[in-house]
Amino acid sequence: ETGVTQTPRHLVMGMTNKKSLKCEQHLGHNAMYWYKQSAKKPLELMFVYSLEERVENNSVPSRFSPECPNSSHLFLHLHTLQPEDSALYLCASSQDRTAPEAFFGQGTRLTVV
Amino acid sequence: AQTVTQSQPEMSVQEAETVTLSCTYDTSESDYYLFWYKQPPSRQMILVIRQEAYKQQNATENRFSVNFQKAAKSFSLKISDSQLGDAAMYFCAYRSTGANSKLTFGKGITLSVRP
Repeated sequence: ETGVTQTPRHLVMGMTNKKSLKCEQHLGHNAMYWYKQSAKKPLELMFVYSLEERVENNSVPSRFSPECPNSSHLFLHLHTLQPEDSALYLCASSQDRTAPEAFFGQGTRLTVV
Repeated sequence: AQTVTQSQPEMSVQEAETVTLSCTYDTSESDYYLFWYKQPPSRQMILVIRQEAYKQQNATENRFSVNFQKAAKSFSLKISDSQLGDAAMYFCAYRSTGANSKLTFGKGITLSVRP
């Protein structure tokens, strides 16, 4: 298996639930990213990890909590979300933070009810 | 701050014909990268083509080519001999060359291909 894999593909959760999104990359990359994709809006960068250290947090609410236990795995822990958080969440990786190209997973379609 | 603008929300092309997708960007930097990504219904963002700003020659990848106009800050994608599998959302993206740089995306354009 190669590339960037995200699970689950779809997730429906209530506002009081706690869930986690998982991302795994098999490319040997050192940088990983979480993006939020909402309809009719550009992709929004949420978090950047480099060598398992969070290096960027773009003013994301604390109800989103990322975790990077190693360079191959990235999680996004979700709790007490709002309906406006419903979106496609994309994970990406790159060789390192200076590499121009990023490789994306297929995303998790999240619906908050 | 860098911005990427894709002003056309939708376009349609006849199979086997050629279509051009427009993109403009704003930056004060002289060296950077530009990309076109494709997002089919499977939702995975796939890199279509990349252009380095220091290169004057337009990038090409098989049926895909770009028209890079640095002075005008324009970066259009031309798809030749369009195929049904080309139907997707296409995103233009910018990235500077700095260590802390990040990808900045446009809103995307939905391309449909008529058989």
